[in-house]
Amino acid sequence: DAGVTQSPTHLIKTRGQQVTLRCSPKSGHDTVSWYQQALGQGPQFIFQYYEEEERQRGNFPDRFSGHQFPNYSSELNVNALLLGDSALYLCASSSNGAQYFGPGTRLTVL
Amino acid sequence: GNSVTQMEGPVTLSEEAFLTINCTYTATGYPSLFWYVQYPGEGLQLLLKATKADDKGSNKGFEATYRKETTSFHLEKGSVQVSDSAVYFCALIRTSGTYKYIFGTGTRLKVLA
Repeated sequence: DAGVTQSPTHLIKTRGQQVTLRCSPKSGHDTVSWYQQALGQGPQFIFQYYEEEERQRGNFPDRFSGHQFPNYSSELNVNALLLGDSALYLCASSSNGAQYFGPGTRLTVL
Repeated sequence: GNSVTQMEGPVTLSEEAFLTINCTYTATGYPSLFWYVQYPGEGLQLLLKATKADDKGSNKGFEATYRKETTSFHLEKGSVQVSDSAVYFCALIRTSGTYKYIFGTGTRLKVLA
């Protein structure tokens, strides 16, 4: 079992650019959640996808959007990047209850 | 609203010392409670969970008991090892109506040989 995988591992962008992060859930999991973890902080919930629909959203602006595909994999898109978007972006998958996290994508915005 | 409060770190202990990391929560309804661990440069790993009052979650020598009367879920280990050095996050999720995890700010544990 591959567990939750994310790509890329690291990414460097400049202000104003757009970025797409990818996540493949653990086998058998149909729900994917995305989190932003700033340095020294706990993860902050961005949104959750289930059956290709956004089911729940945290307090993030519309610049953050996502998608879930029929195979349950997911993408997180961030437009018009700001310096403050620099963080570790975590994907978590679940089927019923506990969430299992991927290793994250470290995004640096210069 | 829902929230999780953890004791501030860092916590520094000698090997084989007893560990307690405090966690209290505020939630409507009946949340499930979790402890996650994050090693340097890695994502979060589920350490243990409890889904109802008085449940005890345990794994790798760590334990935590869901105390509804004190709204607490303190993490304990009888004898820590250097390899336990990491950041520990307490989290809750409501079991109905919403599906997002609420995390505490994390507590860094450093164990010295």
